[in-house]
Amino acid sequence: EIVLTQSPGTLSLSPGERATLSCRASQSVNSRYLAWYHQKPGQAPRLLIYGASNRATGIPDRFSGSGSGTEFTLTISRLEPEDFAVYYCQQYDSSTLYTFGQGTNLEIK
Amino acid sequence: EVQLVQSGAEVKKPGESLQISCKGSGYSFSNYWIGWVRQMPGKGLEWMGIIYPGDSDTRYSPSFQGQVTISADKSITTAYLQWSSLKASDTAMYYCARHSYCSSASCYNDFDHWGRGTLVTVSS
Repeated sequence: EIVLTQSPGTLSLSPGERATLSCRASQSVNSRYLAWYHQKPGQAPRLLIYGASNRATGIPDRFSGSGSGTEFTLTISRLEPEDFAVYYCQQYDSSTLYTFGQGTNLEIK
Repeated sequence: EVQLVQSGAEVKKPGESLQISCKGSGYSFSNYWIGWVRQMPGKGLEWMGIIYPGDSDTRYSPSFQGQVTISADKSITTAYLQWSSLKASDTAMYYCARHSYCSSASCYNDFDHWGRGTLVTVSS
């Protein structure tokens, strides 16, 4: 079973700053099968990045994804007030099928 | 516009049965997998299972196999999540989510549209 570990658990930053969120997999993940979501309080998750580095429809270009193998990163270049949320990575593999990381809480400093 | 409309909040007693629904519209319902995701209070996302409405092919997470039943009726573009005997530990928000399109040539295996969730509360 592939386990995804996100770090940090909580990230405290100010609007305008750069955010770097990490997702580490216990085994190598096909980059096509690594996605990022965010979830604002009281809302459903929203797809941000698919295939490790592709922005989903309507996602601003301040969001970018990178990585391969067991290390993946979500970067938000300049934080906007609406970006403060919980962020999840998610992977697919043929045996485990779908798993989510435990989440990173991006909070306003 | 793709929409997934989930049924309303439920309050149930332990041991009761329950079925919640997720109606898709704005796309070809039969041709996209639909997944179910649990979020317990204050916790993260857990994938439960997934169904292909076109032929009802269903896969479950080992954690949820035997605990819930996922089904779909493509004639009314609706997917379902069902419990035969609820426990207090089933108290959670349940989301349905559309899997991104997969063809024989390309598949990214993410969930590109989500319902707003159905809150299930199980309490005596």
